[in-house]
Amino acid sequence: GENVEQHPSTLSVQEGDSAVIKCTYSDSASNYFPWYKQELGKGPQLIIDIRSNVGEKKDQRIAVTLNKTAKHFSLHITETQPEDSAVYFCAASFGGFKTIFGAGTRLFVKA
Amino acid sequence: DGGITQSPKYLFRKEGQNVTLSCEQNLNHDAMYWYRQDPGQGLRLIYYSQIVNDFQKGDIAEGYSVSREKKESFPLTVTSAQKNPTAFYLCASGQETNTEAFFGQGTRLTVV
Repeated sequence: GENVEQHPSTLSVQEGDSAVIKCTYSDSASNYFPWYKQELGKGPQLIIDIRSNVGEKKDQRIAVTLNKTAKHFSLHITETQPEDSAVYFCAASFGGFKTIFGAGTRLFVKA
Repeated sequence: DGGITQSPKYLFRKEGQNVTLSCEQNLNHDAMYWYRQDPGQGLRLIYYSQIVNDFQKGDIAEGYSVSREKKESFPLTVTSAQKNPTAFYLCASGQETNTEAFFGQGTRLTVV
C-alpha cells in the first residue's frame, strides 16, 4: 500500500549547523508534499510544501527538494536555532482527501 | 480569529465507556479529518468527511464513529470496541485536496 518512510527518527545538531531530513514515498502518482512542524503538546503546523511540478522551494532558512524519479524529498534547515527543536513530519498526498504521513523526526538543536 | 478547536485537551476514560471528542472549525473548510498519533509513529487517518452528512473510513476506523451534521463540527466517538484507545487525537480541516491541513491542538485520551 501507500507508504512514506522518513529518516532519521532523531537528529541532534549544534546551533548554527544545518539539519536535513529525508523522506521516500511509494506511489508515483503523489503530487503534493507538505512538511509539518509539531511542538510539544500541540498540533502540527505547515512550514513548507512542494508540488510535483517543482524541484525545489525555499522560504528563508527552510528549503525542500523533490526528486520525482527517485521518489525522494528532503527538508533542509540552515542556521538552526533552539526554537527549531520540534518533531517534523513529511507527508505525501496521493490525490483525493488522503494524505500519508512519515513517522516523524525529532530534532534537537543544542545551544 | 479563525481556527480549529478541539476539546477537551485531556480526557480520561474507564474501560467499557464510550467518549466523544469535540472538533469545531470556523475556517469554512469543506473537509475535516481525524488522526490518531502514537509515539514513534506518523499520523494515522481514522475518518474523514468531504461535505456535511458524508464521511469515509480511514485506515484505522474500527472502534470509532463520527458524524458531520454541520459544516463546522466533526465529533469523534471512541467506543468500547476500540481495544487500545490511549493516544493523542488530532482533528484537521482543509479547503481542497492537495492543500494545507490545519490542525487543532489535540486531545490526549487515557484509559484508566
